[in-house]
Amino acid sequence: SQQGEEDPQALSIQEGENATMNCSYKTSINNLQWYRQNSGRGLVHLILIRSNEREKHSGRLRVTLDTSKKSSSLLITASRAADTASYFCATDKGGSEKLVFGKGMKLTVNP
Amino acid sequence: DAEITQSPRHKITETGRQVTLACHQTWNHNNMFWYRQDLGHGLRLIHYSYGVQDTNKGEVSDGYSVSRSNTEDLPLTLESAASSQTSVYFCASSAARAAGGPRGNEQFFGPGTRLTVL
Repeated sequence: SQQGEEDPQALSIQEGENATMNCSYKTSINNLQWYRQNSGRGLVHLILIRSNEREKHSGRLRVTLDTSKKSSSLLITASRAADTASYFCATDKGGSEKLVFGKGMKLTVNP
Repeated sequence: DAEITQSPRHKITETGRQVTLACHQTWNHNNMFWYRQDLGHGLRLIHYSYGVQDTNKGEVSDGYSVSRSNTEDLPLTLESAASSQTSVYFCASSAARAAGGPRGNEQFFGPGTRLTVL
């Protein structure tokens, strides 16, 4: 079963614009993570936000978490063509060692 | 540098054959996972292990098996390949929560194996 669901499922923007992706989940979590997958490659971890955190930054990435709404957002600022990829949110349902991944969202950044 | 590798990267097999996909990590992680990725389904967990001699079923385990005889390897076996098992398979590893540290249960992924069952 899918714990996280990304929204929108696909987004196309121009280089330099900001990209926002949303993730909703269903059960309590210990942390929520975002991953990127370039075409034909494995997933790469981007950022982790714990359940007691509301916002976190890493370079051009900003993640927010609202545990009352069971939702998170990933903002990529000043996007580049190299940001073109699929993005997945993942949650550790109930603090499990396992992660449950959403179906992913495809971001296209046009040069 | 530590890494996680998968082999083969591409495999074509016939229905009914046994197939084993290899996964090897040098992170010294206790946790290892096998996923399959299909269009419209995202990543689905097949089997996972929290340490040597420990294996557990994931959400789509039917037709698959794993064994963990050492920390570094978690081979995935398809006992009798079916066309429905045509997919891209990813192996991942993570440190156990008990290991502590600020990184949480971040998973490190291999490059994937594309399996086609004819």
